[in-house]
Amino acid sequence: GESVGLHLPTLSVQEGDNSIINCAYSNSASDYFIWYKQESGKGPQFIIDIRSNMDKRQGQRVTVLLNKTVKHLSLQIAATQPGDSAVYFCAEPHPPWGGATNKLIFGTGTLLAVQP
Amino acid sequence: EPEVTQTPSHQVTQMGQEVILRCVPISNHLYFYWYRQILGQKVEFLVSFYNNEISEKSEIFDDQFSVERPDGSNFTLKIRSTKLEDSAMYFCASRRGSDYTFGSGTRLTVV
Repeated sequence: GESVGLHLPTLSVQEGDNSIINCAYSNSASDYFIWYKQESGKGPQFIIDIRSNMDKRQGQRVTVLLNKTVKHLSLQIAATQPGDSAVYFCAEPHPPWGGATNKLIFGTGTLLAVQP
Repeated sequence: EPEVTQTPSHQVTQMGQEVILRCVPISNHLYFYWYRQILGQKVEFLVSFYNNEISEKSEIFDDQFSVERPDGSNFTLKIRSTKLEDSAMYFCASRRGSDYTFGSGTRLTVV
């Protein structure tokens, strides 16, 4: 069935440390994943995406890793800053891209708290 | 940068009243969505809209809900007779290709 979930609900890190947020998915046919950041009182904001033909994708201070063998992806944030404090969601479109719907199925979310 | 605009940002309504949540999607986007997020929970899909009709709706989107794109610009979500459990953040989103953009949401409080 469709299921995207997170291992850790809350992650507390010191400013300057690296953060790793994890996500598991259940559908082996899933071929595209997105990480969103949601600050308090705001809508989800796109951070980075990855297609299933890739294992790793890097952005500015963020890296997404995809392990299709164990159906797991992670978001790594380098040198975490107070402005990174937010809830982070992984999400995937359902059905995979190409349909008229492509609703997003969101994971539960991880609250990242950055301590100054 | 183009953005999805939602109004109002906050809406308080009495149980049983009708509410209309408004959204202005990004102008060249073709697919439109409403999502809901109950406080502390994950974002849930409500409905998708394409080519002036609903393409999919979730179990949450019952007969009390409706969507419209009346003028080619605005995209509205109407809740006919609100219930306490409709209290949530409602997010509009629009999409073109893989560019999937959310608005900042309307916080609906039903009292």
